[in-house]
Amino acid sequence: GQQVMQIPQYQHVQEGEDFTTYCNSSTTLSNIQWYKQRPGGHPVFLIQLVKSGEVKKQKRLTFQFGEAKKNSSLHITATQTTDVGTYFCAGYFGSGNTPLVFGKGTRLSVIA
Amino acid sequence: GAVVSQHPSRVICKSGTSVKIECRSLDFQATTMFWYRQFPKQSLMLMATSNEGSKATYEQGVEKDKFLINHASLTLSTLTVTSAHPEDSSFYICSASGIGFTGELFFGEGSRLTVL
Repeated sequence: GQQVMQIPQYQHVQEGEDFTTYCNSSTTLSNIQWYKQRPGGHPVFLIQLVKSGEVKKQKRLTFQFGEAKKNSSLHITATQTTDVGTYFCAGYFGSGNTPLVFGKGTRLSVIA
Repeated sequence: GAVVSQHPSRVICKSGTSVKIECRSLDFQATTMFWYRQFPKQSLMLMATSNEGSKATYEQGVEKDKFLINHASLTLSTLTVTSAHPEDSSFYICSASGIGFTGELFFGEGSRLTVL
């Protein structure tokens, strides 16, 4: 079946360091979304990327969608303890009622 | 913003009993709702997709007779775990997409089920 691969699985950083998580698909995605799940919480929608090569920023977070629409990344500049959580990418393949396919997530720990 | 409420947040039950979990969209009409299962520190495992007024579509390996899903209205979907066993203990999360949105999902707070 269609899969979205996400790496790394875990990342431990010192506060102030940068962090990046990557997602990759073998087939073209219609769009890709990113979610954040805090420890003990539920996933919260962050952003959706639709266009080839699209780049969007939310304060210290930068989201990119690859030119071929097969990969995406989330980069956090100067991490803070509030960034702790698991970041999931999720992609739509095709259109219609196909469900969103989630990556396995990257769990970020920030050491103060 | 769009809010999805899930209830109960925690439930403990005896083996063999059934548990119902409700998922409500509070301020939008949810045309499609999704039910996930999440094990500790792991990813979201899609169990089923439900559209209002029709039968749920279950993912491969998910027993439809054990995990009964009903989506009777545009604001409510329920998941019933029938004859629960300890191996059914997990974190169950619903999400919804709706009219007027561009495909993003809004998640409920999740329900932690413990079967003794």
